[in-house]
Amino acid sequence: DTAVSQTPKYLVTQMGNDKSIKCEQNLGHDTMYWYKQDSKKFLKIMFSYNNKELIINETVPNRFSPKSPDKAHLNLHINSLELGDSAVYFCASSPSGGAVFYEQYFGPGTRLTVT
Amino acid sequence: DQQVKQNSPSLSVQEGRISILNCDYTNSMFDYFLWYKKYPAEGPTFLISISSIKDKNEDGRFTVFLNKSAKHLSLHIVPSQPGDSAVYFCAAGDNDYKLSFGAGTTVTVRA
Repeated sequence: DTAVSQTPKYLVTQMGNDKSIKCEQNLGHDTMYWYKQDSKKFLKIMFSYNNKELIINETVPNRFSPKSPDKAHLNLHINSLELGDSAVYFCASSPSGGAVFYEQYFGPGTRLTVT
Repeated sequence: DQQVKQNSPSLSVQEGRISILNCDYTNSMFDYFLWYKKYPAEGPTFLISISSIKDKNEDGRFTVFLNKSAKHLSLHIVPSQPGDSAVYFCAAGDNDYKLSFGAGTTVTVRA
């Protein structure tokens, strides 16, 4: 059983389009995240939800909007895609409470290419 | 402004020898440090962690050392095995529960 899954794994689209990436975790965790890994390979936090409530919202263009229908799912919608949005996007989850909050479980990533 | 830095992008080591990966940080508010391992086309997986109140944590072949005064931590892998070939990310957490990651070090274990 895959603990954190993302769909699709690859996404190629044109500038200006709107796309979504889905994430699901079956670990029973309360907290989920979206990270972006850019061309320099840095993993940067974008958003975090705890029990469907937004708790971290980094400086991200408002074209990016996370949606959490329940605590097992965190989807990422991107409007008006730009070339600079090309990256690998990782979803992650973690339990709440104490230091284990930091021990996050990552999905396999979605490679987004905007042409 | 990167608060976590891994200055060695790559490391090559012979099987059976020790691998030492280094990480420096700038934010004195970090209170928890972790190492993640990543294989190609997979997400990072948690490897080992250390709290800021400790200076060493060991788990099997993996040991993490923390030097708070120098704002430096290291990961030792002994002995190195071919399956250890991967990208290793150093990460640090602050009281806001956000993780800051380094750029990673690619480890290649030679047979």
